[in-house]
Parts: sequence; structure tokens; C-alpha cells
Amino acid sequence: NAGVTQTPKFQVLKTGQSMTLQCAQDMNHNSMYWYRQDPGMGLRLIYYSASEGTTDKGEVPNGYNVSRLNKREFSLRLESAAPSQTSVYFCASSGQGIREKLFFGSGTQLSVL
Amino acid sequence: AQSVAQPEDQVNVAEGNPLTVKCTYSVSGNPYLFWYVQYPNRGLQFLLKYITGDNLVKGSYGFEAEFNKSQTSFHLKKPSALVSDSALYFCAVRVSDTGRRALTFGSGTRLQVQP
Repeated sequence: NAGVTQTPKFQVLKTGQSMTLQCAQDMNHNSMYWYRQDPGMGLRLIYYSASEGTTDKGEVPNGYNVSRLNKREFSLRLESAAPSQTSVYFCASSGQGIREKLFFGSGTQLSVL
Repeated sequence: AQSVAQPEDQVNVAEGNPLTVKCTYSVSGNPYLFWYVQYPNRGLQFLLKYITGDNLVKGSYGFEAEFNKSQTSFHLKKPSALVSDSALYFCAVRVSDTGRRALTFGSGTRLQVQP
């Protein structure tokens, strides 16, 4: 059971370049999330999707866009990367009710030079 | 609005001793509270959660947490620490009575267990 799969694991970009982080889950979860992790700041929510076809902004959405392609996949796009977007990015999905808990991918370490 | 505070950046404890990792929260409503653990170069893993009911919640790897509504706290505890418990621990909260299920995380506490 793969759980949550994120690609790529590492990426180096130059300022102004664009890229898409891919995420897929195989647990039939409705809710999916993108977080970024920075030292001393914990995880901050970028965007989330409560169900297929819906997306909502989180705490730090500026500079990012998302697509909930189908129930399994939730991608994060950086249109014009900036050094402030250097971070570790985590995708997560969650069940509901008594099964509510986040399952995280292994992360993408992104450096923007 | 919802927020979480983890007042200690690092907690050091000797193997075999009890450990406590502190968490306080602020929500405008009833809270759902969670603890997650992150081992080096890994994603976060679920430890336990409080939704409703018994204030003492038991979770994975022998961890437990106590919900204290009057002190708005949800401290993580373990009776006897192991070296393998050394990791980064995150507390998280969301308001229970909304459709928005996105969690707000604390800044994390690094637990170091010395042999």
C-alpha cells in the first residue's frame, strides 16, 4: 500500500522558473493538502482540497496554484519561483470522521537560487 | 481563528525517564487535537488525536496525551523514554464544528533522548 506519493524528492530551480509538484494518494480520501515546512515555523498550509473539484487557500497561498485533477491527485504549481519559496513541501491526505488523520508523503526539498 | 503553541524548541530526557512535550492551543470553538512525529528525512506520522470523550488519549508507540480544557493544553507524555523516540514532534489543532478540516500546526519540539 503506497499511501501518499510525492514527486520529485529534490529540485533546484533558478529564480523565475516554474515547476509542478505532483501528489497522488491511493486511500480513497476526499481531503488533500499541501504544506510547507520551514525551520522554526512548523508546517504552514498552502492550499487544501476538501473534495474533488474544490480547492481553498490556506495560510500562505501567494505564489502558488493547485489543481485537484481527480480524487487521487493534487498538484502544486510554482509559476515563477522565488528564493522565499525554498522549503520542504509535503502533500497529505485525510480520511473523515473517526478515520480523520493526515497521511503525509515523504516530502520535496526545493531550493530556489 | 486557530493556533497552537509549543513553548519548548527542544526537550532533553534520559532513557527510561518519563517525558513530556508541551502544547497549548487557541480555537474559537471545540478543538480537535493531534500529535504527529517526524523522523529525520521523513514525512510526519500520526501519533494520536483527541476528538471527544475521555481526556486521556492513548496512541502509538506508548505515547499518550491529556486534554485539559481549562488550561487549553494537550501535552504529550510517555512513562519511559527510549532513544528511538528522538524525533521532531508537532501538535496540531482544528475547530471541530466547521467543515474546514485543515489543521494548524505548532512550530515543533525536538525530543532528544540520551542513552
